[in-house]
Amino acid sequence: KAGVTQTPRYLIKTRGQQVTLSCSPISGHRSVSWYQQTPGQGLQFLFEYFSETQRNKGNFPGRFSGRQFSNSRSEMNVSTLELGDSALYLCASSIGGSGRIGEQFFGPGTRLTVL
Amino acid sequence: QQPVQSPQAVILREGEDAVINCSSSKALYSVHWYRQKHGEAPVFLMILLKGGEQKGHDKISASFNEKKQQSSLYLTASQLSYSGTYFCGTYTQGGSEKLVFGKGTKLTVNP
Repeated sequence: KAGVTQTPRYLIKTRGQQVTLSCSPISGHRSVSWYQQTPGQGLQFLFEYFSETQRNKGNFPGRFSGRQFSNSRSEMNVSTLELGDSALYLCASSIGGSGRIGEQFFGPGTRLTVL
Repeated sequence: QQPVQSPQAVILREGEDAVINCSSSKALYSVHWYRQKHGEAPVFLMILLKGGEQKGHDKISASFNEKKQQSSLYLTASQLSYSGTYFCGTYTQGGSEKLVFGKGTKLTVNP
């Protein structure tokens, strides 16, 4: 079974630009969560999508948005990039249902650098 | 709301044991443990649920003290492959369904 894939793996942008990251979950998984990982803050939850609907949202500004398609693939978008957005962005998929009792499978991440 | 992990880092020799702790100020529904090796994605280790149920790998053991809102991960007879950063993530009772991770514990196992 193929794992979670994320594209692109590396990205360099300048301040003010916008970026779109993509995540393809494991086949059959309906939930996709996004996390931002930085050395200082660790893993921080961005949002979760289930059946094309945003089910949960973390404490990030509105510049961070996402969506999920009918095939469960998900994208996240960051507009008006700031230097502090430089991070590893991880997506994780799970079968669905309640995340409280399910394991998540993480992708390799997209390393975003904002100059 | 972020759980607190301790220690922040630990260095072991192969064969030694280690305990990693995770505590929360909120009542917890479940605790999730993941390990991340350098340059790789986090990998699931275990889930501990309120009420005593556990799901995870046979070679990993952990405990969940519901009264104290604390969980501990026990790494016994450590191997070189155990090296990495261990994260606990928590779901709180009555809260929204967001998995909130601690800042991690870096474990280094030397020969």
